[in-house]
Amino acid sequence: AQTVTQSQPEMSVQEAETVTLSCTYDTSESDYYLFWYKQPPSRQMILVIRQEAYKQQNATENRFSVNFQKAAKSFSLKISDSQLGDAAMYFCAFYNYGGSQGNLIFGKGTKLSVKP
Amino acid sequence: EPEVTQTPSHQVTQMGQEVILRCVPISNHLYFYWYRQILGQKVEFLVSFYNNEISEKSEIFDDQFSVERPDGSNFTLKIRSTKLEDSAMYFCASSRLGHLYNSPLHFGNGTRLTVT
Repeated sequence: AQTVTQSQPEMSVQEAETVTLSCTYDTSESDYYLFWYKQPPSRQMILVIRQEAYKQQNATENRFSVNFQKAAKSFSLKISDSQLGDAAMYFCAFYNYGGSQGNLIFGKGTKLSVKP
Repeated sequence: EPEVTQTPSHQVTQMGQEVILRCVPISNHLYFYWYRQILGQKVEFLVSFYNNEISEKSEIFDDQFSVERPDGSNFTLKIRSTKLEDSAMYFCASSRLGHLYNSPLHFGNGTRLTVT
Protein backbone atom coordinates (compact mmCIF):
# COMPACT_ATOMS: atom_id res chain seq x y z
CA ALA A 1 0.00 0.00 0.00
CA GLN A 2 1.14 3.49 -0.75
CA THR A 3 1.87 5.92 2.05
CA VAL A 4 2.68 9.60 2.09
CA THR A 5 4.63 11.19 4.93
CA GLN A 6 4.98 14.85 5.72
CA SER A 7 7.41 15.07 8.60
CA GLN A 8 6.91 18.77 9.36
CA PRO A 9 3.58 19.43 11.11
CA GLU A 10 4.29 23.16 11.15
CA MET A 11 6.63 25.52 9.36
CA SER A 12 7.17 29.24 9.49
CA VAL A 13 8.71 31.62 6.98
CA GLN A 14 9.37 35.32 6.81
CA GLU A 15 7.58 37.21 4.09
CA ALA A 16 9.68 37.36 0.88
CA GLU A 17 11.84 34.46 2.03
CA THR A 18 11.96 30.92 0.66
CA VAL A 19 10.63 27.83 2.41
CA THR A 20 10.75 24.15 1.55
CA LEU A 21 8.12 21.66 2.65
CA SER A 22 9.10 18.02 2.76
CA CYS A 23 7.21 15.00 1.52
CA THR A 24 8.25 11.39 1.17
CA TYR A 25 6.21 8.51 -0.11
CA ASP A 26 6.39 4.79 -0.38
CA THR A 27 5.23 2.81 -3.38
CA SER A 28 6.20 -0.14 -5.49
CA GLU A 29 4.66 1.44 -8.57
CA SER A 30 6.82 3.05 -11.23
CA ASP A 31 4.19 5.18 -12.90
CA TYR A 32 2.35 7.59 -10.65
CA TYR A 33 1.61 11.23 -10.03
CA LEU A 34 2.34 13.55 -7.17
CA PHE A 35 0.55 16.68 -6.10
CA TRP A 36 0.74 19.51 -3.65
CA TYR A 37 -2.55 20.92 -2.46
CA LYS A 38 -3.03 24.10 -0.47
CA GLN A 39 -5.85 24.49 2.04
CA PRO A 40 -6.21 28.13 3.18
CA PRO A 41 -8.24 28.99 6.27
CA SER A 42 -11.33 29.22 4.03
CA ARG A 43 -10.94 25.41 3.83
CA GLN A 44 -11.19 24.80 0.08
CA MET A 45 -8.28 22.69 -1.11
CA ILE A 46 -6.61 24.04 -4.20
CA LEU A 47 -4.13 22.29 -6.46
CA VAL A 48 -0.77 24.04 -6.33
CA ILE A 49 1.46 21.90 -8.49
CA ARG A 50 1.68 18.41 -9.94
CA GLN A 51 4.41 16.10 -11.16
CA GLU A 52 4.42 13.02 -13.33
CA ALA A 53 6.78 10.37 -12.01
CA TYR A 54 8.20 9.53 -15.42
CA LYS A 55 9.29 13.12 -15.99
CA GLN A 56 12.71 13.95 -14.62
CA GLN A 57 12.22 17.66 -14.96
CA ASN A 58 10.90 19.29 -11.82
CA ALA A 59 7.55 21.02 -12.17
CA THR A 60 7.35 24.78 -11.67
CA GLU A 61 4.34 27.06 -11.26
CA ASN A 62 5.35 30.67 -10.76
CA ARG A 63 6.77 30.92 -7.21
CA PHE A 64 6.14 27.24 -6.53
CA SER A 65 8.53 24.52 -7.59
CA VAL A 66 9.20 20.95 -6.60
CA ASN A 67 12.30 18.89 -6.03
CA PHE A 68 11.33 15.44 -7.21
CA GLN A 69 13.79 12.70 -6.33
CA LYS A 70 12.29 9.47 -7.63
CA ALA A 71 14.95 7.14 -6.31
CA ALA A 72 14.68 8.66 -2.87
CA LYS A 73 10.87 8.84 -3.14
CA SER A 74 10.96 12.46 -2.15
CA PHE A 75 8.77 15.29 -3.42
CA SER A 76 9.45 18.58 -1.68
CA LEU A 77 7.72 21.88 -2.38
CA LYS A 78 9.67 25.12 -2.53
CA ILE A 79 7.87 28.42 -2.17
CA SER A 80 9.94 31.40 -3.21
CA ASP A 81 9.27 35.01 -2.27
CA SER A 82 6.70 33.91 0.30
CA GLN A 83 3.58 36.03 0.59
CA LEU A 84 1.07 36.40 3.41
CA GLY A 85 -1.49 34.64 1.23
CA ASP A 86 0.68 31.54 1.17
CA ALA A 87 -0.25 30.83 4.79
CA ALA A 88 -2.22 27.58 4.71
CA MET A 89 -2.12 23.84 5.26
CA TYR A 90 -0.17 22.13 2.52
CA PHE A 91 -0.90 18.54 1.62
CA CYS A 92 1.27 16.27 -0.43
CA ALA A 93 -0.69 13.62 -2.33
CA PHE A 94 0.03 10.51 -4.37
CA TYR A 95 -2.01 9.10 -7.22
CA ASN A 96 -1.57 5.86 -9.10
CA TYR A 97 -3.87 5.90 -12.10
CA GLY A 98 -3.24 2.27 -12.82
CA GLY A 99 -4.73 1.37 -9.48
CA SER A 100 -7.57 3.16 -7.78
CA GLN A 101 -9.58 5.51 -9.86
CA GLY A 102 -10.15 8.29 -7.40
CA ASN A 103 -7.98 7.41 -4.50
CA LEU A 104 -5.64 10.28 -3.83
CA ILE A 105 -3.46 9.37 -0.89
CA PHE A 106 -2.69 12.37 1.25
CA GLY A 107 -0.07 13.14 3.83
CA LYS A 108 -1.06 14.64 7.18
CA GLY A 109 -0.23 18.12 6.03
CA THR A 110 2.14 20.92 6.99
CA LYS A 111 0.78 24.13 8.42
CA LEU A 112 2.71 27.05 6.96
CA SER A 113 2.73 30.41 8.71
CA VAL A 114 4.06 33.51 6.98
CA LYS A 115 5.40 36.29 9.18
CA PRO A 116 5.21 39.88 7.96
CA GLU B 1 -14.45 30.18 -12.00
CA PRO B 2 -16.92 27.37 -11.25
CA GLU B 3 -16.71 25.85 -7.79
CA VAL B 4 -17.83 22.79 -5.92
CA THR B 5 -20.28 23.90 -3.24
CA GLN B 6 -21.16 22.03 -0.09
CA THR B 7 -23.95 22.50 2.41
CA PRO B 8 -24.18 22.86 5.31
CA SER B 9 -20.81 24.18 6.38
CA HIS B 10 -21.32 22.76 9.85
CA GLN B 11 -23.69 20.02 10.99
CA VAL B 12 -24.20 18.93 14.56
CA THR B 13 -26.08 15.71 15.17
CA GLN B 14 -26.71 13.23 17.92
CA MET B 15 -25.24 9.76 17.87
CA GLY B 16 -27.52 7.35 16.04
CA GLN B 17 -29.14 9.99 13.88
CA GLU B 18 -29.03 10.07 10.11
CA VAL B 19 -27.31 12.93 8.31
CA ILE B 20 -27.17 13.92 4.68
CA LEU B 21 -24.30 16.03 3.43
CA ARG B 22 -24.93 17.82 0.19
CA CYS B 23 -22.67 18.80 -2.65
CA VAL B 24 -23.10 20.48 -5.99
CA PRO B 25 -20.19 19.46 -8.22
CA ILE B 26 -18.99 21.55 -11.13
CA SER B 27 -21.58 21.21 -13.86
CA ASN B 28 -19.53 19.61 -16.63
CA HIS B 29 -17.71 17.22 -14.33
CA LEU B 30 -18.45 13.52 -14.59
CA TYR B 31 -16.65 12.02 -11.58
CA PHE B 32 -17.56 12.73 -8.00
CA TYR B 33 -15.85 11.91 -4.76
CA TRP B 34 -16.16 12.13 -1.01
CA TYR B 35 -13.16 12.45 1.26
CA ARG B 36 -13.04 13.00 4.99
CA GLN B 37 -10.53 14.45 7.40
CA ILE B 38 -10.70 13.62 11.06
CA LEU B 39 -9.19 16.44 13.11
CA GLY B 40 -5.41 16.20 13.06
CA GLN B 41 -5.44 13.25 10.71
CA LYS B 42 -4.94 12.68 7.00
CA VAL B 43 -7.49 13.41 4.36
CA GLU B 44 -8.93 9.99 3.48
CA PHE B 45 -10.73 8.76 0.41
CA LEU B 46 -14.24 7.46 0.97
CA VAL B 47 -15.89 6.85 -2.37
CA SER B 48 -15.89 7.72 -6.04
CA PHE B 49 -18.98 7.88 -8.21
CA TYR B 50 -19.40 7.82 -11.97
CA ASN B 51 -22.27 7.23 -14.31
CA ASN B 52 -24.73 6.99 -11.43
CA GLU B 53 -22.95 4.27 -9.58
CA ILE B 54 -20.12 3.81 -7.13
CA SER B 55 -16.91 3.13 -9.00
CA GLU B 56 -14.73 2.61 -5.96
CA LYS B 57 -14.97 2.78 -2.19
CA SER B 58 -12.55 2.54 0.69
CA GLU B 59 -12.73 0.33 3.76
CA ILE B 60 -14.11 3.31 5.66
CA PHE B 61 -17.18 3.40 3.41
CA ASP B 62 -19.16 0.66 5.12
CA ASP B 63 -22.86 -0.11 5.08
CA GLN B 64 -23.78 2.96 7.10
CA PHE B 65 -22.65 5.18 4.23
CA SER B 66 -24.39 5.71 0.93
CA VAL B 67 -24.12 8.17 -1.92
CA GLU B 68 -26.65 9.36 -4.39
CA ARG B 69 -27.05 11.74 -7.26
CA PRO B 70 -30.76 12.42 -6.89
CA ASP B 71 -30.95 14.90 -9.73
CA GLY B 72 -28.68 16.41 -12.32
CA SER B 73 -26.82 18.65 -9.94
CA ASN B 74 -26.65 17.35 -6.37
CA PHE B 75 -24.39 14.65 -5.01
CA THR B 76 -25.15 13.52 -1.48
CA LEU B 77 -23.47 11.49 1.22
CA LYS B 78 -25.77 9.86 3.73
CA ILE B 79 -24.62 8.45 7.04
CA ARG B 80 -27.42 6.26 8.37
CA SER B 81 -26.65 5.98 12.04
CA THR B 82 -23.90 8.34 13.07
CA LYS B 83 -21.21 7.39 15.53
CA LEU B 84 -18.92 9.63 17.54
CA GLU B 85 -16.02 8.61 15.33
CA ASP B 86 -17.81 9.95 12.27
CA SER B 87 -17.02 13.46 13.49
CA ALA B 88 -14.81 14.90 10.78
CA MET B 89 -14.61 17.37 7.94
CA TYR B 90 -16.20 15.86 4.84
CA PHE B 91 -15.01 17.10 1.49
CA CYS B 92 -16.79 16.66 -1.78
CA ALA B 93 -14.73 16.80 -4.96
CA SER B 94 -15.33 16.49 -8.65
CA SER B 95 -13.24 15.83 -11.71
CA ARG B 96 -14.14 16.26 -15.34
CA LEU B 97 -12.51 13.15 -16.71
CA GLY B 98 -11.50 10.94 -13.81
CA HIS B 99 -7.79 10.84 -14.57
CA LEU B 100 -6.66 12.94 -11.67
CA TYR B 101 -3.48 14.18 -13.27
CA ASN B 102 -4.99 15.48 -16.50
CA SER B 103 -8.23 16.38 -14.83
CA PRO B 104 -7.42 17.36 -11.25
CA LEU B 105 -9.84 17.24 -8.38
CA HIS B 106 -11.77 20.35 -7.46
CA PHE B 107 -12.71 20.34 -3.80
CA GLY B 108 -15.55 22.00 -1.97
CA ASN B 109 -15.14 23.93 1.26
CA GLY B 110 -16.17 20.95 3.33
CA THR B 111 -18.87 20.18 5.86
CA ARG B 112 -17.76 19.87 9.45
CA LEU B 113 -19.80 17.09 11.03
CA THR B 114 -19.92 16.95 14.80
CA VAL B 115 -21.55 13.92 16.39
CA THR B 116 -22.45 14.33 20.05
